[in-house]
Amino acid sequence: DAMVIQNPRYQVTQFGKPVTLSCSQTLNHNVMYWYQQKSSQAPKLLFHYYDKDFNNEADTPDNFQSRRPNTSFCFLDIRSPGLGDAAMYLCATSPAGSNQPQHFGDGTRLSIL
Amino acid sequence: GDSVTQMEGPVTLSEEAFLTINCTYTATGYPSLFWYVQYPGEGLQLLLKATKADDKGSNKGFEATYRKETTSFHLEKGSVQVSDSAVYFCALRDAGKSTFGDGTTLTVKP
Repeated sequence: DAMVIQNPRYQVTQFGKPVTLSCSQTLNHNVMYWYQQKSSQAPKLLFHYYDKDFNNEADTPDNFQSRRPNTSFCFLDIRSPGLGDAAMYLCATSPAGSNQPQHFGDGTRLSIL
Repeated sequence: GDSVTQMEGPVTLSEEAFLTINCTYTATGYPSLFWYVQYPGEGLQLLLKATKADDKGSNKGFEATYRKETTSFHLEKGSVQVSDSAVYFCALRDAGKSTFGDGTTLTVKP
């Protein structure tokens, strides 16, 4: 089945130690998104890629970066994680049509020691 | 800007009870409307969708009708099961941008 896969499912890192989360998709969708979700709150959009075009949300901290080397893969880099960055990180994709639904991965639960 | 308002939770029901989760929205354009479900430790799964006024989305016994006159998209199910326990998010998508409600936690007891 076509899907969105996030690795790892659980990630533990130390305060201030860089960490990278990965997302891959077999849906061949143009758009890939990264969301942060805390305690079953609404997901908060960090940024998205439309093909290779990167779109950052205005309130996304500089500590969060992203890379999309090809259509299938997208990475979230947290340069210096703080305790407040502990959360579930969700990757999603959608086709290019503006009102199509998004397809989500199962998320990576990030813990900060 | 666009916004989505869901009824506050949590909601606790007995098995086979009727479920309604209210959702209203404001949007400047002509949005598509969605309900997503999130089970513990998982991502969001699309439950149902409606793309224009008066459309009814349905899946797994859940239904919601796109009501433009009342700007609503209420989720209903006639008989809930324990396995329906999850967090439900109402969302709209307009011009490529998604807006989510705050989520409603549903617990169904045997």
